[in-house]
Amino acid sequence: SYELTQPPSVSVSPGQTARITCSGDALPDQYGFWYQKKPGQAPVLVIYKNSERPSGIPERFSGSRSGTTVTLTISGVQAEDEADYYCQLPDNSGTLFGGGTKLTVL
Amino acid sequence: QVQLQESGPGLVKPSETLSLTCTVSGGSMNSYYWSWIRQPPGKGLEWIGYIYYSGTTTNYNPSLKSRVTMSVDTSNNQFSLKLSSVTAADTAVYYCARHIQGSGTWGMDVWGQGTTVTVSS
Repeated sequence: SYELTQPPSVSVSPGQTARITCSGDALPDQYGFWYQKKPGQAPVLVIYKNSERPSGIPERFSGSRSGTTVTLTISGVQAEDEADYYCQLPDNSGTLFGGGTKLTVL
Repeated sequence: QVQLQESGPGLVKPSETLSLTCTVSGGSMNSYYWSWIRQPPGKGLEWIGYIYYSGTTTNYNPSLKSRVTMSVDTSNNQFSLKLSSVTAADTAVYYCARHIQGSGTWGMDVWGQGTTVTVSS
């Protein structure tokens, strides 16, 4: 098994772009997934298969992958985007979550 | 639209077995993998394990494998989690979720609201 590393926190002003990375010694051909988690609510899938966006997720959410790093980008951040964000990737034992990143909208 | 609802005791004594059920409504369990995930207070998400709708495949987090059992009852559109020999470290919000069709290691697109389980005497 391996670990997925995310920055503990990211801060941006409204309208700016937030980038949250997730890195680890993942198998290079595995898909990455991203969730938004607000206090008291269930996680919401915002990106699947590295860069696909589920229906109902705003276009400002996008994802990418380069090597063993997956990145969630939120363009034109809004106050409502303040939340914890978690990456998830398969590993040899099943699936694994990153430690989470708290996005603060200043 | 598929909805999930967790149910079970909110308080479990140390060394006993935690038992939770997830009821699936608004759709079929067929052809999907189903998982349990938990979040201890102030910590991140932890995947516990998944089960295929037929019950023929299960996969558990290695750190919990010796204590976890999952089962499925498609006639009642439910799947269940049993976690034995619990300690205070098992106190968490427990979620059930449905995986994107194709793999139990892929992302989860439908989640229950979560249920809080406290381990205490």
